[in-house]
Amino acid sequence: AQSVTQLDSHVSVSEGTPVLLRCNYSSSYSPSLFWYVQHPNKGLQLLLKYTSAATLVKGINGFEAEFKKSETSFHLTKPSAHMSDAAEYFCVVRKAGTALIFGKGTTLSVSS
Amino acid sequence: DAGVIQSPRHEVTEMGQEVTLRCKPISGHDYLFWYRQTMMRGLELLIYFNNNVPIDDSGMPEDRFSAKMPNASFSTLKIQPSEPRDSAVYFCASRESGTSYEQYFGPGTRLTVT
Repeated sequence: AQSVTQLDSHVSVSEGTPVLLRCNYSSSYSPSLFWYVQHPNKGLQLLLKYTSAATLVKGINGFEAEFKKSETSFHLTKPSAHMSDAAEYFCVVRKAGTALIFGKGTTLSVSS
Repeated sequence: DAGVIQSPRHEVTEMGQEVTLRCKPISGHDYLFWYRQTMMRGLELLIYFNNNVPIDDSGMPEDRFSAKMPNASFSTLKIQPSEPRDSAVYFCASRESGTSYEQYFGPGTRLTVT
């Protein structure tokens, strides 16, 4: 069965420092993986997706994620955090068929 | 192109009342999903449609919840009668077949049942 585990419920960084949000997945086949972001009182926005092409995926707003099959990981990174990056981030895996399974989310706080 | 549109954005109702949430998917998208988000349970898939036909409603919590999609551009999620534990943010999402399975979300409806 497919599942995702977000290893940190809350991450705090200072503006200008790197961001690392960790996600491990479980999948019985080659997975489709996504990261979504949710700003307060907003809907979910797609940040990036992995669909078995390049293992390093670039997304919007300077975020990227690397698919590592050997580690079953799909961590989200950004070289330099901005105040506007403060939000909830969800790691997502496609279930068999078309449904998506969402992780429990990681809250990113950015301090000045 | 306009994104997924949901209405109303906020709904406050009393226990026992009927609530209807509305969604317009992105034009050309043939899948539509309804989700519920709460602090306790996170984001849960309630039901999804393909070409207006319900495919999987196993996430619908109980018979008080029903969803319809009468045409490709409109769907409703109805709760009758509503209860305080139904208070949550309800999201609608859509996607187009033949793509990489990513879904596009609406802004959500925040439902409060008192």
